[in-house]
Amino acid sequence: GQQVMQIPQYQHVQEGEDFTTYCNSSTTLSNIQWYKQRPGGHPVFLIQLVKSGEVKKQKRLTFQFGEAKKNSSLHITATQTTDVGTYFCAGDNYGGATNKLIFGTGTLLAVQP
Amino acid sequence: NAGVTQTPKFRILKIGQSMTLQCAQDMNHNYMYWYRQDPGMGLKLIYYSVGAGITDKGEVPNGYNVSRSTTEDFPLRLELAAPSQTSVYFCASSYWQREGYEQYFGPGTRLTVT
Repeated sequence: GQQVMQIPQYQHVQEGEDFTTYCNSSTTLSNIQWYKQRPGGHPVFLIQLVKSGEVKKQKRLTFQFGEAKKNSSLHITATQTTDVGTYFCAGDNYGGATNKLIFGTGTLLAVQP
Repeated sequence: NAGVTQTPKFRILKIGQSMTLQCAQDMNHNYMYWYRQDPGMGLKLIYYSVGAGITDKGEVPNGYNVSRSTTEDFPLRLELAAPSQTSVYFCASSYWQREGYEQYFGPGTRLTVT
């Protein structure tokens, strides 16, 4: 079946350092979403990418969708302690009819002040 | 708006017991979902619904049942609980819009089966 893998599983950075997590799907996706889950919390939507090669920015966060629509990345510039949490990508390859997502394995980000 | 609400927050079940996890949303979303999240893992889709009266299986439906009699409510039923069902259960809802269709998650139910 379809799989969505993320690397790394865990990243520990000093505050102010950059961070990147990568997401790879075994199948072509119609769109990809990113979510953040704080420790003990629930996933919260960050962004959705739809077009091949799309790049979107949210303040210090930059999201990319690969040309082949099978991979994506999230880059955080100058991490802050508020960035702590697990970042999940989630892919939709069902043509958007049901928004049935396959979630990636997640990357846990720890930020040391 | 309360968004997506889930009850209970925590529950301990004995093996073989049954229970219903409640989920409700007040955003008039057509789509609703149930996920389970095992420790340190991603979310696995159990069941989903695209509207009242319509449900379908996700990746891991065995041992669970759902119903969707109204737009607002999407309860998840566990029959004959097993230790493998120890997990955190999240309910989510969404609607389609041109710019995307983010899923809104409830706070979760932490279930332990012993």
